[in-house]
Amino acid sequence: EAEVAQSPRYKITEKSQAVAFWCDPISGHATLYWYRQILGQGPELLVQFQDESVVDDSQLPKDRFSAERLKGVDSTLKIQPAELGDSAMYLCASSQNRRGKGETQYFGPGTRLLVL
Amino acid sequence: EDQVTQSPEALRLQEGESSSLNCSYTVSGLRGLFWYRQDPGKGPEFLFTLYSAGEEKEKERLKATLTKKESFLHITAPKPEDSATYLCAVQAESSYKLIFGSGTRLLVRP
Repeated sequence: EAEVAQSPRYKITEKSQAVAFWCDPISGHATLYWYRQILGQGPELLVQFQDESVVDDSQLPKDRFSAERLKGVDSTLKIQPAELGDSAMYLCASSQNRRGKGETQYFGPGTRLLVL
Repeated sequence: EDQVTQSPEALRLQEGESSSLNCSYTVSGLRGLFWYRQDPGKGPEFLFTLYSAGEEKEKERLKATLTKKESFLHITAPKPEDSATYLCAVQAESSYKLIFGSGTRLLVRP
């Protein structure tokens, strides 16, 4: 069964350092999402890609966060510099882009980030 | 503003004790309502998609229903392995992003 891949699974860093997360969506899925989930809360969208283009980055803290999907396949999310409040689970999801009806998003295992 | 509220926040059941989880939503045009299961330290696992009021879907001991204002996830004769956080999310017609509730943490005791 096809799955969304993410790495690393865990990351511990000190504040002011740079961190990067990688995501490989399900093969053939044109739409890719990055969500952030704080413990005890539901995921919140950071950025949405359609192929290599950003569709929605309205909730992405652009002073420190950046995301790219250069070839429209895998994606990288970067934080520089990391702050204590960035400690969370970072989830990647992908969907087929059927349009019209509600489109199911499939999530990867996540990257748990701890900023010290 | 599109919003999802889940209740209760936490639920403890004895094995075999059936119950329901609630998801209330407000959205400017519903494209779909989604239920996910999330185990500790893992990503959400897709369970169901519901598109319109009156729709129902079932999978093993789980049954999801949808009205114009809320959705229920019914758990029949739960087992300890059903223990997890259950997340509800809506997708508005204006966007494909998912708007999640805070989840219901379910614990099923043997």
